Amino acid sequence: GEDVEQSLFLSVREGDSSVINCTYTDSSSTYLYWYKQEPGAGLQLLTYIFSNMDMKQDQRLTVLLNKKDKHLSLRIADTQTGDSAIYFCAVAYNQGGKLIFGQGTELSVKP
Amino acid sequence: GAVVSQHPSWVICKSGTSVKIECRSLDFQATTMFWYRQFPKQSLMLMATSNEGSKATYEQGVEKDKFLINHASLTLSTLTVTSAHPEDSSFYICSASGNDPGAMNTEAFFGQGTRLTVV
Repeated sequence: GEDVEQSLFLSVREGDSSVINCTYTDSSSTYLYWYKQEPGAGLQLLTYIFSNMDMKQDQRLTVLLNKKDKHLSLRIADTQTGDSAIYFCAVAYNQGGKLIFGQGTELSVKP
Repeated sequence: GAVVSQHPSWVICKSGTSVKIECRSLDFQATTMFWYRQFPKQSLMLMATSNEGSKATYEQGVEKDKFLINHASLTLSTLTVTSAHPEDSSFYICSASGNDPGAMNTEAFFGQGTRLTVV
């Protein structure tokens, strides 16, 4: 089945850019998402990209997709302490919401 | 975005008892609901997919007789953990997708999660 991998931890200084990486195995994945989870809370959808796109920018967030390498990244510009959370990438094959999640990357932002 | 409410947010129960968790879509019709389980510091694992009015589809390794899922209406799905044991302690999260006019049609909205502790 589909396997989605992320590095577990990332630490950055406030004001720097953060880049969180994700790889997946199934090239038929068509919808790719980034979610944010704060301690003890549910998931908040941050952004998404369709597989026919290379890049998507949404304010401080930039998503890059390299479909050939099956690599997805999330860049957070001007990272703030409020961005500290766990970030999950998730992939889906079709519409309807069934998602396969990566392990999550814990982002720590130091002042 | 749409709102999905999950209740309770936390519950402690005795071993051997059953616990029901509710997932409601407050402002849209959820044709499909998903139940996930998350262990500490780990990812979300899909347990089952339920479509309104039909039986849930369980992922491999998930005991359907232990984790009873009901999706009787377009706004409510329930997960009942039967005869709970300490190893069932976990964070359970639902998500719902359906006919929210304001959402992209592939988006699934997540509830806040339920922390279950079995003692």
